[in-house]
Amino acid sequence: DAMVIQNPRYQVTQFGKPVTLSCSQTLNHNVMYWYQQKSSQAPKLLFHYYDKDFNNEADTPDNFQSRRPNTSFCFLDIRSPGLGDAAMYLCATSRDGNYGYTFGSGTRLTVV
Amino acid sequence: AQRVTQPEKLLSVFKGAPVELKCNYSYSGSPELFWYVQYSRQRLQLLLRHISRESIKGFTADLNKGETSFHLKKPFAQEEDSAMYYCALRDSSYKLIFGSGTRLLVRP
Repeated sequence: DAMVIQNPRYQVTQFGKPVTLSCSQTLNHNVMYWYQQKSSQAPKLLFHYYDKDFNNEADTPDNFQSRRPNTSFCFLDIRSPGLGDAAMYLCATSRDGNYGYTFGSGTRLTVV
Repeated sequence: AQRVTQPEKLLSVFKGAPVELKCNYSYSGSPELFWYVQYSRQRLQLLLRHISRESIKGFTADLNKGETSFHLKKPFAQEEDSAMYYCALRDSSYKLIFGSGTRLLVRP
């Protein structure tokens, strides 16, 4: 009964080859977030959608884009992955940013 | 600048010993603070929120605005408490800012 689902769990991509990670939710939460977590580091917010409004963090590279076609789905697109983009990518949702977030299991991205 | 600091990367205790995971924050407004836990091979999940003033799995955390701290405590650690613990702050724009985490290892 996972409520925030991320696919795939593991993704291997080639250097420079575009890759898309997906997140879906059954909670009907209006806010969705993408975090990047590198080994032994804190999860770092890349961007989030508040309803349809996209909010980019100032230090998120242009290489990272996101789409939210509807309430349930959100995608993370990495246009030209570099070796430094290898990380765990976490999707999270919340209702109006209140209470705790609900996280997905994450997608571990490897760049070869 | 908003920041959450967890000074210990690893905390190792024996079963039955008290546990305190430290968290300090830097925030100009009135913060909302959380503890998240990640058990091995599982997703991040909310452990507790400061405004709830609740005890979950024997853990408590008190917000100390004077010391800007939100330390997580448990009087008697259990082996199943072994996990990664993240302190997090929610700012006024509803973004969650995480600390770098502390790995708790409870030895038998």
